Amino acid sequence: GAVVSQHPSRVICKSGTSVKIECRSLDFQATTMFWYRQFPKQSLMLMATSNEGSKATYEQGVEKDKFLINHASLTLSTLTVTSAHPEDSSFYICSASSPLDHQLPETQYFGPGTRLLVL
Amino acid sequence: DAKTTQPTSMDCAEGRAANLPCNHSTISGNEYVYWYRQIHSQGPQYIIHGLKNNETNEMASLIITEDRKSSTLILPHATLRDTAVYYCIGKLVFGAGTILRVKS
Repeated sequence: GAVVSQHPSRVICKSGTSVKIECRSLDFQATTMFWYRQFPKQSLMLMATSNEGSKATYEQGVEKDKFLINHASLTLSTLTVTSAHPEDSSFYICSASSPLDHQLPETQYFGPGTRLLVL
Repeated sequence: DAKTTQPTSMDCAEGRAANLPCNHSTISGNEYVYWYRQIHSQGPQYIIHGLKNNETNEMASLIITEDRKSSTLILPHATLRDTAVYYCIGKLVFGAGTILRVKS
């Protein structure tokens, strides 16, 4: 149980275009989803916390107008990188948690990640 | 959020126990300690979590000191597939983690 998927697994796009990444909880309902970014040889950096039906909370330094997050259902959250530039190239990872899980609601289950390359 | 400190890297012989330490002296009284691991180019995998008591599951054991300022993750019989970066976190802040290399 507790499986999270991401799509696409990797994407290459031209500078200036927008890219949408989907994060789905496959076998549980996730009231909270998190989006992380990871640059090569670095740790995960939290970008935003998304609660179903409400606006995402962004970490300091993360532009909310550039990284649009939508969490419209209990099983789906999307991250849209708008007007992508080469410096946005990174590994984007989502995670999901659920208060209905017998585990604590803070337990995160991670997706496999999406590798974005902006040319 | 609690900041955690872990050794940069560790080596372990295959079949032996791997003991990964973590310092979390700023963790609050009701904040759980979580352990995740990340194999290259994959999303992190949940391993175990604990508050005060020692915990064990099918993957690992977690030993937490009485003052809760540190903990140790134990992989009882490390295999080559356990080679990964291991993260000890308080909530949502990931540090650099420990690179565990299991060698045959």
